[in-house]
Amino acid sequence: DTAVSQTPKYLVTQMGNDKSIKCEQNLGHDTMYWYKQDSKKFLKIMFSYNNKELIINETVPNRFSPKSPDKAHLNLHINSLELGDSAVYFCASSKPGLASHEQYFGPGTRLTVT
Amino acid sequence: SQQGEEDPQALSIQEGENATMNCSYKTSINNLQWYRQNSGRGLVHLILIRSNEREKHSGRLRVTLDTSKKSSSLLITASRAADTASYFCATDGDGGFKTIFGAGTRLFVKA
Repeated sequence: DTAVSQTPKYLVTQMGNDKSIKCEQNLGHDTMYWYKQDSKKFLKIMFSYNNKELIINETVPNRFSPKSPDKAHLNLHINSLELGDSAVYFCASSKPGLASHEQYFGPGTRLTVT
Repeated sequence: SQQGEEDPQALSIQEGENATMNCSYKTSINNLQWYRQNSGRGLVHLILIRSNEREKHSGRLRVTLDTSKKSSSLLITASRAADTASYFCATDGDGGFKTIFGAGTRLFVKA
């Protein structure tokens, strides 16, 4: 059984488009995250939700909007895509306590903006 | 700026050799974690060491933590080709509110 799943795995789109990435976890965790990994493999947190509430919102353009319909899902919607948004986006989840527990990562969504 | 920085950036060894990766961080921490990322995959948690611990083992992995030097090391003994991956350290920065990852060490184990 997949613990943290993301769809789609690959996403190729043109500048200016709007796209969404979905994430689901079946681990019963209360805390979920979105990370962006750039071409140099540097992983940076974007958002964190705890029990459907936004806890962390790093300096991310407001074109990025996370939505958590329930504890098991955290989706990421991106408006007006730009070339610089090309990266791999990872969803993760953990028990509450944020940085105190190991995080379980999804397989990633490779976004390419042309 | 990054909380954790790994050293070296890349490491190439022969199967059977030991691999040592280092991580330095800037602010005080409650815990430090190591993760592995295989090419094209998500990160997988390897081990967590708390600030009051100095050493921890898990199978062929040995992690040390020196809070006075703000550094940690990950040792993989008797490496295998399957250990080829990127390894990241992660600390609980910003007062423990979030996990901050370093840039990673890319390990190549040649068969």
